[in-house]
Amino acid sequence: RKEVEQDPGPFNVPEGATVAFNCTYSNSASQSFFWYRQDCRKEPKLLMSVYSSGNEDGRFTAQLNRASQYISLLIRDSKLSDSATYLCVVSGRGGADGLTFGKGTHLIIQP
Amino acid sequence: GAVVSQHPSRVICKSGTSVKIECRSLDFQATTMFWYRQFPKQSLMLMATSNEGSKATYEQGVEKDKFLINHASLTLSTLTVTSAHPEDSSFYICSARAVNEQFFGPGTRLTVL
Repeated sequence: RKEVEQDPGPFNVPEGATVAFNCTYSNSASQSFFWYRQDCRKEPKLLMSVYSSGNEDGRFTAQLNRASQYISLLIRDSKLSDSATYLCVVSGRGGADGLTFGKGTHLIIQP
Repeated sequence: GAVVSQHPSRVICKSGTSVKIECRSLDFQATTMFWYRQFPKQSLMLMATSNEGSKATYEQGVEKDKFLINHASLTLSTLTVTSAHPEDSSFYICSARAVNEQFFGPGTRLTVL
């Protein structure tokens, strides 16, 4: 079983729609959780950290369910510029440990 | 956020040659840097953790004698791919840890002919 599993997509979504991704992780000892965004042939960039209480940053909402080892990302009012690959990432100790990446979910926002 | 640079951004070399990739933290000091590799349509995979002034810690399956890591200062880590072969062609990305966040370099695309 892969350490971090995501639906690779692609998700084709009209502009303005709401889209949700999720991922599952296998290591119950994981302590920190993130969503990264990666554009084609570029390095990943941190989108947001994910907390058990759930957190929101503008149009983006992330949720963590430790019992189910499940992480989600919701994007509201999607923009063309949201088109990218979204990487689910877990770590043992925040950024202190190396990160374990999922393969990513490819999102395409269509005009 | 903090800035991490990598050099070169792209390299094409012949099989059997060695390639050195530099990773620099430009506006902060990083006692720990990480090296990742990403094959096409695959996830980033951690190769090794580079600690300033000590030996790197390699992930299972990564040959330490093939991928030499040197972290001689708080702002520079280097990865040398020795005797590169076509199967080493990949996107190599470093990250540097600042407090509890990792900042990624722009990556180096290695093509071995």
